[in-house]
Amino acid sequence: KAGVTQTPRYLIKTRGQQVTLSCSPISGHRSVSWYQQTPGQGLQFLFEYFSETQRNKGNFPGRFSGRQFSNSRSEMNVSTLELGDSALYLCASRGWGSRTDTQYFGPGTRLTVL
Amino acid sequence: DAKTTQPPSMDCAEGRAANLPCNHSTISGNEYVYWYRQIHSQGPQYIIHGLKNNETNEMASLIITEDRKSSTLILPHATLRDTAVYYCIVRVAGTGGGADGLTFGKGTHLIIQP
Repeated sequence: KAGVTQTPRYLIKTRGQQVTLSCSPISGHRSVSWYQQTPGQGLQFLFEYFSETQRNKGNFPGRFSGRQFSNSRSEMNVSTLELGDSALYLCASRGWGSRTDTQYFGPGTRLTVL
Repeated sequence: DAKTTQPPSMDCAEGRAANLPCNHSTISGNEYVYWYRQIHSQGPQYIIHGLKNNETNEMASLIITEDRKSSTLILPHATLRDTAVYYCIVRVAGTGGGADGLTFGKGTHLIIQP
């Protein structure tokens, strides 16, 4: 079974631009979560989508948004990029239900904001 | 989700068993113990999880004390490729980590020495 895939793997943007990252979950998984990892703050939860609806949200500004499509693929968007948005962005997928909900992570997208 | 405490770093000789401790003294009865690891700049990799019984899979063993206040992840024959940051997380199953997603602490940086 293929794992979680994320595209692109690396991205360089300049301040003020916007960026869209993509995540394809493991086949059959309907939940997708996004995390930001920086050296200073560690891994922080951004939001989770299930059945095209945002179910949970972390403490990030409104510049960070996401969506999920009917095939469970998800995208996250960051508008008006700031230098501090440079980070590894991770996507994780899981099944739904107490016995199938281990989260599996993708390789991440490394975003550099100049 | 309950908080966990892990030593910041540990060394282990290649070929020996690596025993990584985790303290979760405030764990609730319905919270599972999960272990992930993250090799530099890659996405976290799921290792194992358990509720109260000891668990074993092809990667590792998980030993949970009877009072469930601590656990130990055991890598039976450590190799250089096991050098990574290991995260111990406790959470209620079925929530994906709850409203805040998975809570990653600082983890234990395990260094396997040749």
